[in-house]
Amino acid sequence: NAGVMQNPRHLVRRRGQEARLRCSPMKGHSHVYWYRQLPEEGLKFMVYLQKENIIDESGMPKERFSAEFPKEGPSILRIQQVVRGDSAAYFCASSPNDAGRGYGYTFGSGTRLTVV
Amino acid sequence: TQLLEQSPQFLSIQEGENLTVYCNSSSVFSSLQWYRQEPGEGPVLLVTVVTGGEVKKLKRLTFQFGDARKDSSLHITAAQPGDTGLYLCAAMEYGNKLVFGAGTILRVKS
Repeated sequence: NAGVMQNPRHLVRRRGQEARLRCSPMKGHSHVYWYRQLPEEGLKFMVYLQKENIIDESGMPKERFSAEFPKEGPSILRIQQVVRGDSAAYFCASSPNDAGRGYGYTFGSGTRLTVV
Repeated sequence: TQLLEQSPQFLSIQEGENLTVYCNSSSVFSSLQWYRQEPGEGPVLLVTVVTGGEVKKLKRLTFQFGDARKDSSLHITAAQPGDTGLYLCAAMEYGNKLVFGAGTILRVKS
């Protein structure tokens, strides 16, 4: 039973390019969450999605960032026109129906984005 | 947004020593979770505490939830180099959103 799969593990982009980060949740999980982490810091919530729906995007910058979780395929976090400040580790987590409430998330290994 | 404050921010100890890390807030939680994160990996859930005053043990790790459900502690007995990592507490906000403290970086030297 595969865990949460994120790819790529490492991504290097030049300033102004687009970054696409992918996340496949655990089998049977219908809730996906994206977090951003700077070195040796805690995780900052970005967005919470269910299939074809954005439930909460309160932590996501209004410009250049978007997320989707289509009916088929992985969830995608998209960053347009990347800047150096976007360099961070981006983690995806998943949970089953509402069982995230108090029962914890399963996290992927993250995508480390470096903007040069 | 409820703020979770963790202390200390950084802890460096010798193998065999005991340690305690803390997670505090002014808000009341329905539950609180502790995660451990190793360099280059995602956080891994260690425990969920739900009831005020609850104590859970996981081998050499002891987790306690405060009576008022506003704070929690993690105690490690006889720390080992394998315990090195970032320890994060987290609590559920409304709407199924998990919020994290800034973490405690633990380094155990052999």
